[in-house]
Amino acid sequence: DTGVSQNPRHKITKRGQNVTFRCDPISEHNRLYWYRQTLGQGPEFLTYFQNEAQLEKSRLLSDRFSAERPKGSFSTLEIQRTEQGDSAMYLCASSLGEMRGYTFGSGTRLTVV
Amino acid sequence: GESVGLHLPTLSVQEGDNSIINCAYSNSASDYFIWYKQESGKGPQFIIDIRSNMDKRQGQRVTVLLNKTVKHLSLQIAATQPGDSAVYFCAENAAAGNKLTFGGGTRVLVKP
Repeated sequence: DTGVSQNPRHKITKRGQNVTFRCDPISEHNRLYWYRQTLGQGPEFLTYFQNEAQLEKSRLLSDRFSAERPKGSFSTLEIQRTEQGDSAMYLCASSLGEMRGYTFGSGTRLTVV
Repeated sequence: GESVGLHLPTLSVQEGDNSIINCAYSNSASDYFIWYKQESGKGPQFIIDIRSNMDKRQGQRVTVLLNKTVKHLSLQIAATQPGDSAVYFCAENAAAGNKLTFGGGTRVLVKP
């Protein structure tokens, strides 16, 4: 296991289309986080799972966004009816228990045209 | 690679010199702080952390200082190397939650 893996690395989509991203955390990590980062800004928290339970969601996560972690391992983030404002880097991170320094993946860069 | 940030404060430092990056945090309830390094096209990489019951912590070539009175955090990099060129973010965490709140970032450029 070499760290947090995210796929795809880049995604270009037309406005109005749906997209789905995948995150594979470090295998023994039970916590998984999604963040969004726009150019020139720090990452912003979107949502967090402990095992398969989604425990916290940001107000940034509109009803077009949904995240799942069905078996407590990998997670998916889906954006429906994409808008140009959704263009950003979507970062996934994982941690073990109370360890608060996450390990981030390399992110998925979404461009909505 | 793609740029992490286009309009970030930039610190230019000569190779071999020490760097100091500053960060102001906002939440007085935050009790855990982290510095991350982010290179173009990559996710943030953990550098060093500090809890609020400490005011200084040292790692390999890095030192983090915490001043809770003025809600200020700094990262000192000793003998800066070309590989230290990146964007650096501070992040804070309040005990009541699990999310990290990131600052705006500082770009460090190391001149050979």
